[in-house]
Amino acid sequence: KAGVTQTPRYLIKTRGQQVTLSCSPISGHRSVSWYQQTPGQGLQFLFEYFSETQRNKGNFPGRFSGRQFSNSRSEMNVSTLELGDSALYLCASSRDRGIYEQYFGPGTRLTVT
Amino acid sequence: GQQVMQIPQYQHVQEGEDFTTYCNSSTTLSNIQWYKQRPGGHPVFLIQLVKSGEVKKQKRLTFQFGEAKKNSSLHITATQTTDVGTYFCAGEVDSNYQLIWGAGTKLIIKP
Repeated sequence: KAGVTQTPRYLIKTRGQQVTLSCSPISGHRSVSWYQQTPGQGLQFLFEYFSETQRNKGNFPGRFSGRQFSNSRSEMNVSTLELGDSALYLCASSRDRGIYEQYFGPGTRLTVT
Repeated sequence: GQQVMQIPQYQHVQEGEDFTTYCNSSTTLSNIQWYKQRPGGHPVFLIQLVKSGEVKKQKRLTFQFGEAKKNSSLHITATQTTDVGTYFCAGEVDSNYQLIWGAGTKLIIKP
């Protein structure tokens, strides 16, 4: 079974621009979660989608948004990029919400200059 | 808000010494999961604990879930270089199925 894939793997953007990151979950997984990871900050939860609906949201500004498509693929968008948005963005999929483990993708490394 | 506190933030050990990381929640958890992230990698699921007082072992790793389902620990016996990485706990809260993540404990093997 193919794992979680994320594209692109690396991205360099300029302050003020916007960016869209993509995540393809493991086949059959309906839940997709997004996380931001910065050095020393652990995993900061952004949002979780299940069957195209956002079910949970972390404490991030409205510049961060996401969506999920009918095939469970998900995208997240960050508008008006700031230097502080430089981070590793991880996507994780799981079979369902509840007591199922999450499978992480390799992440997208975003650098904002 | 709901929090899972994980300590210590870092632990330096000599190879062969033991390592322990602890997670404490402000609320009762329905279950807790543990993940390992190697340097430069992504978190990988290790185990899930569901029952009060549950203890599970994976070779040199021992995972415990407290009786009140508010705390958990991961203990590694006789650490090896392959154990290097950051260990995260993530607790699930009944009310909304959201995973609350600890900040992670970084295991560093002294040269």
